[in-house]
Amino acid sequence: AQSVTQLGSHVSVSEGALVLLRCNYSSSVPPYLFWYVQYPNQGLQLLLKYTSAATLVKGINGFEAEFKKSETSFHLTKPSAHMSDAAEYFCAVSPTGFQKLVFGTGTRLLVSP
Amino acid sequence: SQTIHQWPATLVQPVGSPLSLECTVEGTSNPNLYWYRQAAGRGLQLLFYSVGIGQISSEVPQNLSASRPQDRQFILSSKKLLLSDSGFYLCAWGQGDSNSPLHFGNGTRLTVT
Repeated sequence: AQSVTQLGSHVSVSEGALVLLRCNYSSSVPPYLFWYVQYPNQGLQLLLKYTSAATLVKGINGFEAEFKKSETSFHLTKPSAHMSDAAEYFCAVSPTGFQKLVFGTGTRLLVSP
Repeated sequence: SQTIHQWPATLVQPVGSPLSLECTVEGTSNPNLYWYRQAAGRGLQLLFYSVGIGQISSEVPQNLSASRPQDRQFILSSKKLLLSDSGFYLCAWGQGDSNSPLHFGNGTRLTVT
């Protein structure tokens, strides 16, 4: 079964610093991968998705993620953190053949002034 | 444009009471519909999904059930709530193949006392 692992339940950065949130996937076939963001007491909002068209995927709010097959990774990055980026971030994989997302346990991003 | 509505936003229910959470989607037809539960520190767990009216698939055995009486309506129910049913419940819709994202409602915070 396909799955994703998010390393680090909490990541703390200073405003203006690089953001790196890690996601590794487990899949025997090329997966479809997604990053979502969740603000407190809200639903999930799609940041970006990888669907094999390009390994570097740009999303909303200045985020991007790079698909690395050799490392089975899909890490999320942003060059400069903003206070408004503080939220919980979820990586997800979709099994081929049917639309059904399997989520990681999430990483809470804390941004300090 | 498509929108998804979930209600209520918050709910406090005693153990043993019934539950009914409703989700509706507007602006699309024949969507795939999903119920996820988010427990503290445990990510999102898929509870049920539906590909059409009256078609419900359960992902995990539990105290809950789901129904889809209309094309764009998805209901999560329980006859008798348990303390362990507390959590944040998210409804989502999607369309297309596994490379398409899901779109989430704003969630219902359920506290069973």
